[in-house]
Parts: sequence; C-alpha cells; structure tokens
Amino acid sequence: GAGVSQSPRYKVTKRGQDVALRCDPISGHVSLYWYRQALGQGPEFLTYFNYEAQQDKSGLPNDRFSAERPEGSISTLTIQRTEQRDSAMYRCASSPTGETYGYTFGSGTRLTVV
Amino acid sequence: QKEVEQDPGPLSVPEGAIVSLNCTYSNSAFQYFMWYRQYSRKGPELLMYTYSSGNKEDGRFTAQVDKSSKYISLFIRDSQPSDSATYLCAMSGETGRRALTFGSGTRLQVQP
Repeated sequence: GAGVSQSPRYKVTKRGQDVALRCDPISGHVSLYWYRQALGQGPEFLTYFNYEAQQDKSGLPNDRFSAERPEGSISTLTIQRTEQRDSAMYRCASSPTGETYGYTFGSGTRLTVV
Repeated sequence: QKEVEQDPGPLSVPEGAIVSLNCTYSNSAFQYFMWYRQYSRKGPELLMYTYSSGNKEDGRFTAQVDKSSKYISLFIRDSQPSDSATYLCAMSGETGRRALTFGSGTRLQVQP
C-alpha cells in the first residue's frame, strides 16, 4: 500500500479482555516496528521484525504482550488480559531494510482500557 | 533520568523567526540521530537523519550533532505557520540494536 495502515483506528475494551492490533506495512518493506506512545511523550520501542523473524522484543513490557508477522508482511500485536495502564496509542512503522533508521509510521491505534 | 531529554515547550515564535530545537542524551553509543515532526493526531514523519557528528542541511532545516557534548539541534529558518507541530528527536546505534530512543517532543507554535 501507499502508507503504513493500522487497524482498528480506535479500540475500547474492558479490563481483562484480549485485543489484537493489526499493522499492514508499506509493500516490500523488510522491517516492521511496534512502538507505544503515551500522551505528551515520544514513542517507546516495543518490538521489531525483519521479514517474519522477530529480531528484538526487549521493549515488550511483560508476557501479556506478544507480536507476530507470520508471512513477513502484516503484523499483529496482541495484548492479553488488558489492564488500564495499557491504554495508549500503539504505532507501527516500517522501513525498506533493517539498515534504515528513517521509518514510516502509521497513524496508530488508540487503545482505551476501561 | 531519561536517556534522551527534550524540553516539552510549548515554544511560540512569530512567522519568519529562526527556531532552535534541542535534545541532550546520555548514551555515548548513539551514532544515528533523527528529527521527526508530528502533527496533531498523526504519526511522526522523518525530517532529518544524521550519522555521527556534524551538520546537515535540507532546505529551511539544519540538523547539528555534537557527540562530544551529547547534544543535537534542529534549526528551522523562515518558520511558517505550517511548521507548527511537535518535534521529536530520536537516536540509535547501539551495536545490534535497531530500536530508536525518542525524546518526549517539543511543541512548536508559529504565529502568523
């Protein structure tokens, strides 16, 4: 696609429910990144893929968070047993190769846990 | 203390002014330095990308990196109301690590 597409745009969920956030990167981009951005803060790294391989998951806060990119294109970030502190904007970004630091970010998914 | 510090602003300037935005950092392993611009309700977009120390110019924008002082700057000349946004510095370069560490962003308002 022309840009990085994320869905849903907004997600409201009840505490304790699982949520799945989807990212469709720019066509042909090798690297895909997940970040979380709190209001008034810069994005915070969560995890990173090259093709289908998860290269770095050091930013995932705990084992309730997981991500996959099974065919090296679309990625899903899953949060199990959501908590109110998980409320944030979740942003996906992609880049042509793993050597490129100039990502293209998507518009994000605003997650609200009530 | 955060690895990357950035004054949150807001910074309000008249149209046509020269704007200076800055970040300091503590991790001497950082080698790649970026500035992103983020408009309200949008994702960050890359403005400038610099490797190691030195200056880089692109139109009205100039990025400077001083690794000895662990200090980076973005200058905007002839600022326009359309430059009103949040400016985020970001950096990386630790061996084997592709993650970016962002500052918290400076909100800039250019008054017409």
